[in-house]
Amino acid sequence: QVQLVESGGGVVQPGRSLRLSCAASGFTFSSYGMHWVRQAPGKGLEWVAVIWYDGSNKYYADSVKGRFTISRDNSKNTLYLQMNSLRAEDTAVYYCARTIPCTNGVCYDAFDIWGQGTMVTVSS
Amino acid sequence: SSELTQDPAVSVALGQTVRITCQGDSLRSYYASWYQQKPGQAPVLVIYGKNNRPSGIPDRFSGSSSGNTASLTITGAQAEDEADYYCNSRDSSGNHAVVFGGGTKLTVL
Repeated sequence: QVQLVESGGGVVQPGRSLRLSCAASGFTFSSYGMHWVRQAPGKGLEWVAVIWYDGSNKYYADSVKGRFTISRDNSKNTLYLQMNSLRAEDTAVYYCARTIPCTNGVCYDAFDIWGQGTMVTVSS
Repeated sequence: SSELTQDPAVSVALGQTVRITCQGDSLRSYYASWYQQKPGQAPVLVIYGKNNRPSGIPDRFSGSSSGNTASLTITGAQAEDEADYYCNSRDSSGNHAVVFGGGTKLTVL
């Protein structure tokens, strides 16, 4: 079945780095834009980054720009998020999500498939 | 970057109709999408585009939009609809970023 599975979360000290992975299965990964969305404990959803289906374009939230890098390996059906210079405020559950397919040539900024999330805790 | 504003909490009696709203300048140019999130679970897409429901979403969920306000309506709310609801849309700055609303906690009485 269509599935996204995140991994790589954990406890890390401020200023250090961490790389998250998101393994996709059950669909043609290389045809879809992919996003990272995070949720701090007890807080709402925050969009983090998007990468186009072929990796040609990447966009970031201002809060992570210059520190986080989104990438993908379509040969491995895997999405990544490299997180550098981590801060306490980056503590959150990180979800990967798929952009919903375009319908009749109309595209939407909607996320139809989500992973279960991986927890990142930034603490000394 | 733009913002989307939602009421923090809304309640509805079992079987009644409730509307959850989302306001923001970006909604004048882009459709909102709506997500349902229950405790400890990932969000689930319930409405996208003008008023589209993904497969498996009950038809009691519907969406609408006017000006800078998008709405999610649940007609005949059920106990299992109690959850947090989030809207999102493209950021109006034109840089392909996405923005989420702060979320609305729906209580079914």
